[in-house]
Amino acid sequence: DAGVTQSPTHLIKTRGQQVTLRCSPISGHKSVSWYQQVLGQGPQFIFQYYEKEERGRGNFPDRFSARQFPNYSSELNVNALLLGDSALYLCASSLDTNQETQYFGPGTRLLVL
Amino acid sequence: EDQVTQSPEALRLQEGESSSLNCSYTVSGLRGLFWYRQDPGKGPEFLFTLYSAGEEKEKERLKATLTKKESFLHITAPKPEDSATYLCAVQDSQGDMRFGAGTRLTVKP
Repeated sequence: DAGVTQSPTHLIKTRGQQVTLRCSPISGHKSVSWYQQVLGQGPQFIFQYYEKEERGRGNFPDRFSARQFPNYSSELNVNALLLGDSALYLCASSLDTNQETQYFGPGTRLLVL
Repeated sequence: EDQVTQSPEALRLQEGESSSLNCSYTVSGLRGLFWYRQDPGKGPEFLFTLYSAGEEKEKERLKATLTKKESFLHITAPKPEDSATYLCAVQDSQGDMRFGAGTRLTVKP
């Protein structure tokens, strides 16, 4: 079975631009969570979506938004990029809202110049 | 606020030299404590979930234990392929997850 997939793998943007990251969960998984991982730190929770509804939100500014589609794939959007948004963005899927067993994708490496 | 502190930040071992990684936490109602392995440039790989003090889980050379304030990941006779960053995370009663910064393990042959 295919695991969690994310696209693109790498991305370079300049300050002020907008970016959209994409995630496809494991087949049968209905929940998708997004995390930001800055170099040298652990992942920090951004959002969780389940059945197309937001079920959790971390301490991130409104520049960050996400949505989930009927096929359970998800997009993370970041507007007005700042240098500090440079990070590895991870998507994780789980069967339901319980994140006890969540499987991570390989991430999208975003560099903001 | 939930806090997770992992120590040491980095650990270098010789192949076969057993050791332990520490994860100290403060959380409002522990729902679960998780250990992940992360290789460079990749997403975290799930290893264990522990739910209550006294619980232990094993997988190959890894054994995770849990007390009311900390968890240990014991690595027995490590091999070079065990080199990775090991992340600890806690989930509180609200369902929120918080990760530690990780321990970067290097096992030399």
